[in-house]
Amino acid sequence: KAGVTQTPRYLIKTRGQQVTLSCSPISGHRSVSWYQQTPGQGLQFLFEYFSETQRNKGNFPGRFSGRQFSNSRSEMNVSTLELGDSALYLCASSLGSERGETQYFGPGTRLLVL
Amino acid sequence: GENVEQHPSTLSVQEGDSAVIKCTYSDSASNYFPWYKQELGKGPQLIIDIRSNVGEKKDQRIAVTLNKTAKHFSLHITETQPEDSAVYFCAASKTSASKIIFGSGTRLSIRP
Repeated sequence: KAGVTQTPRYLIKTRGQQVTLSCSPISGHRSVSWYQQTPGQGLQFLFEYFSETQRNKGNFPGRFSGRQFSNSRSEMNVSTLELGDSALYLCASSLGSERGETQYFGPGTRLLVL
Repeated sequence: GENVEQHPSTLSVQEGDSAVIKCTYSDSASNYFPWYKQELGKGPQLIIDIRSNVGEKKDQRIAVTLNKTAKHFSLHITETQPEDSAVYFCAASKTSASKIIFGSGTRLSIRP
């Protein structure tokens, strides 16, 4: 079974721009969670989508948003990029039937904001 | 708030020796504790997990122990090999929430 895939793998943007990242979960998984990883803050939860609805949200500003499609694929959008948004953005999928399930991570999208 | 503390931040052991990483969690409602291994340029990979109704779990050279009373859990790697070199993250979550709270990570280096 194929794992979680994320596109693109690398991205360079400038301050003020916006960016959209994509995540395809493991087949049959209905929950997709997004995390931001930085050297200073570590791995931080952004939000989780299940059945096209945001089920949980972390402590990030409204510039960070996401959505999920009927095939469970998810996109994450960051508007008005800031230098501090440079990070590895990770997507994780799980079955979604109950919370506290095992989450499987993709390889991440490395975003550099100049 | 919810917090997971992880120690040590770096660990260097001789090949063949054991490595132990320790974590403490703050939310007593946490009941699921996964451990992830992250290699350079890759996403975190689940290596073992334990639920709160179990005190210990073992998978070949890897074992995890959980002390619910003290809110401690630990990862033990025996007979370490060069391919064990990576960053390891402990984490905690609960069935009432979707998110995983991660520790700050331990960079494990195996000396030949």
